[in-house]
Amino acid sequence: ETGVTQTPRHLVMGMTNKKSLKCEQHLGHNAMYWYKQSAKKPLELMFVYNFKEQTENNSVPSRFSPECPNSSHLFLHLHTLQPEDSALYLCASSRGTTPRTDTQYFGPGTRLTVL
Amino acid sequence: KQEVTQIPAALSVPEGENLVLNCSFTDSAIYNLQWFRQDPGKGLTSLLLIQSSQREQTSGRLNASLDKSSGRSTLYIAASQPGDSATYLCAVRMDSNYQLIWGAGTKLIIKP
Repeated sequence: ETGVTQTPRHLVMGMTNKKSLKCEQHLGHNAMYWYKQSAKKPLELMFVYNFKEQTENNSVPSRFSPECPNSSHLFLHLHTLQPEDSALYLCASSRGTTPRTDTQYFGPGTRLTVL
Repeated sequence: KQEVTQIPAALSVPEGENLVLNCSFTDSAIYNLQWFRQDPGKGLTSLLLIQSSQREQTSGRLNASLDKSSGRSTLYIAASQPGDSATYLCAVRMDSNYQLIWGAGTKLIIKP
């Protein structure tokens, strides 16, 4: 166990469904991240939260809505997704205090399939 | 804009061979470079981190080198084992904003 957990591990949803991905870190970190990993493509950073405040949104479509209620939990709310949104969604956390040297710890990911 | 390329995308070799994975980047203004390992159904694990002022880092059978001026890094795996089978990702941290820019990875299969 890496200290970062993600649920569910697999999710299949229709384009009209609403679902949420959950990430929890047990490392006492202050920064949390959502990444999208599509087949044979580099990881794409989606959102960054530091001390519960969103510090980055890399032009992510509004059908993805993040929520960070506290430093230990991060959610990604999904609605009206498209088939091209099918991917592995990875959550990561880091101390958040030293961006230069922050080491990110990753969860196992949620494999999302949009039908 | 920084681009990170990993070649080959996939590699299959017999157990016991020494092998090299390649990572290239277009902008040499990096703070550091990291190599990660990703196993199916699991998250990424950091293997080695090389600061921009360093030439190489070693951990066990792994050796990572960095030639910042030419925009290249290699990950050398000695005496490969089936347990080394995984996808290997490299990522550079930019000097300007400390963002991590990722390669698409090399999927490595070590055949027993």
